[in-house]
Amino acid sequence: GQQVMQIPQYQHVQEGEDFTTYCNSSTTLSNIQWYKQRPGGHPVFLIQLVKSGEVKKQKRLTFQFGEAKKNSSLHITATQTTDVGTYFCAGIVSGTYKYIFGTGTRLKVLA
Amino acid sequence: SAVISQKPSRDICQRGTSLTIQCQVDSQVTMMFWYRQQPGQSLTLIATANQGSEATYESGFVIDKFPISRPNLTFSTLTVSNMSPEDSSIYLCSLSVGDYGYTFGSGTRLTVV
Repeated sequence: GQQVMQIPQYQHVQEGEDFTTYCNSSTTLSNIQWYKQRPGGHPVFLIQLVKSGEVKKQKRLTFQFGEAKKNSSLHITATQTTDVGTYFCAGIVSGTYKYIFGTGTRLKVLA
Repeated sequence: SAVISQKPSRDICQRGTSLTIQCQVDSQVTMMFWYRQQPGQSLTLIATANQGSEATYESGFVIDKFPISRPNLTFSTLTVSNMSPEDSSIYLCSLSVGDYGYTFGSGTRLTVV
């Protein structure tokens, strides 16, 4: 079945370092959405990308959707302790209404 | 965007019992979704709940175990029936906000002992 894998599974960084999580789908996605889940919290929507090769920025966060619409990345510049949490990608499988979540990347930022 | 109130926020239940989780939305929505998130894992869709029709369950989830009600466009419940320790998870209701992704309830952290 369709799978969306994220790497790395865990990442510990020193505050101020950069962080990147990669999202790889086994099938083409119509869109990609990114969520952040703080420890003990629920997922919160960050952004949506729709176009092949699209890049969007939100302050220190840069999101990219691959040309083949099968992968995506989230890059955080100069991490802060407030960036701690699990980052999930999710998307709709092309040609379906099926919405699937990635496996998630848990980020820990050391002060 | 819509706000979802979910309760209870957490519960500890005896095996063999059932727990009903409620979600109230502050606006009318056609479709609501119920997810399960096992400890340290991603989100898995349990079922889609449309008002006025039976819920549609994903593979691996059955109505007898996870009955869902959707009596109106602002409310839904999920019952976890005949619980076992393997049902210990976070359960989340959600709704789609189109280009703004999914909005989630605050979640119900269930522990079955």
